[in-house]
Amino acid sequence: TQLLEQSPQFLSIQEGENLTVYCNSSSVFSSLQWYRQEPGEGPVLLVTVVTGGEVKKLKRLTFQFGDARKDSSLHITAAQPGDTGLYLCAGEGRDTGFQKLVFGTGTRLLVSP
Amino acid sequence: DTEVTQTPKHLVMGMTNKKSLKCEQHMGHRAMYWYKQKAKKPPELMFVYSYEKLSINESVPSRFSPECPNSSLLNLHLHALQPEDSALYLCASSQQRLDNEQFFGPGTRLTVL
Repeated sequence: TQLLEQSPQFLSIQEGENLTVYCNSSSVFSSLQWYRQEPGEGPVLLVTVVTGGEVKKLKRLTFQFGDARKDSSLHITAAQPGDTGLYLCAGEGRDTGFQKLVFGTGTRLLVSP
Repeated sequence: DTEVTQTPKHLVMGMTNKKSLKCEQHMGHRAMYWYKQKAKKPPELMFVYSYEKLSINESVPSRFSPECPNSSLLNLHLHALQPEDSALYLCASSQQRLDNEQFFGPGTRLTVL
């Protein structure tokens, strides 16, 4: 069974701080996505990484896919209250086929003004 | 149009009721998904439709019955639910290609009394 473990589970920081969220697995993934979900809403796709070692930037968010395609990280620079939400990584696994996403355990971020 | 819509937004039903959740997308996506999400947990896959045919059923109880009337619509028929079925039900769609980017609707908050 392919699993994605995220750390930390919960992060509470002040506005302006930097943070990194990790998404780790012992399995190889063909691609990996990051989503942000606000309470009572559906997840919103932030980015997809496909190539090992790939780095993508979305304003203050930087996403990296591990060289071996087993892990990923999300770094937020100068966090703002609008960044508050549940961050989910999700991988398309070679074992599960392209129709199934394996979701990570989630990281809940709270950014206070 | 890059949106997945879901109706209703909220639903309260008794254990003897029959109700349906609806999902619609106009992005030309050929795969559509139903997920169940409990509080503070990642989404759990229930069903996948590919080209309007059910391709994955994650051993979901028969009180949940999916239907895909056409490539843009997905329904989830509910009958004789239990209180533990209360959750956020999410619909998603994807182009069904290698990176499997899934786009989620806002969800239906279901409460079973």
